[in-house]
Amino acid sequence: QKEVEQNSGPLSVPEGAIASLNCTYSDRVSQSFFWYRQYSGKSPELIMSIYSNGDKEDGRFTAQLNKASQYVSLLIRDSQPSDSATYLCAVNRLTGFQKLVFGTGTRLLVSP
Amino acid sequence: GAVVSQHPSRVICKSGTSVKIECRSLDFQATTMFWYRQFPKQSLMLMATSNEGSKATYEQGVEKDKFLINHASLTLSTLTVTSAHPEDSSFYICSASQAGEALEQYFGPGTRLTVT
Repeated sequence: QKEVEQNSGPLSVPEGAIASLNCTYSDRVSQSFFWYRQYSGKSPELIMSIYSNGDKEDGRFTAQLNKASQYVSLLIRDSQPSDSATYLCAVNRLTGFQKLVFGTGTRLLVSP
Repeated sequence: GAVVSQHPSRVICKSGTSVKIECRSLDFQATTMFWYRQFPKQSLMLMATSNEGSKATYEQGVEKDKFLINHASLTLSTLTVTSAHPEDSSFYICSASQAGEALEQYFGPGTRLTVT
């Protein structure tokens, strides 16, 4: 079982729709969760961080965390073609030296 | 805020030579810097973690003598790829974490290395 799992996609949504990206993690004691956006050929950009159960909203983005079920999700409202990118879920690893573990990413395609 | 720069953005070198990549945090002090490698259509692979003034911690399978990391100040870390070979061609990305930030990492723009 991978430490952080994401569906590789692509997830295709029409412009204006809600895109829902999911991520599950295996380390139950993980405390910090992040979503990064990576455009093709570019480096990742931090878009959301979440540390406690529930929802966290920032503009068109909402991160949701459920520690009991060990999943974290990202909702993108009013999706735009410019949102087309790969979205990486990252989870901190508390065992051993603290560092982030990344999922392989979900590719999102927003069609005009 | 939280801007990280990398230099160079692209480099082409001949097999057997060494290449140095710089990573700078421009508007904050980075207590920890990370170096990643990413091959086409694959996810990020952490190579090493470095704290200012101490030796880097390398991930399993990463040769410390081949990938030399120096974190001499709170704003600068360097990665030197020694005796580069074509299989080292990749996208190298650094990230930095501020003191007190709960592991939020801010990434540099990356360096695309091509070894001929």
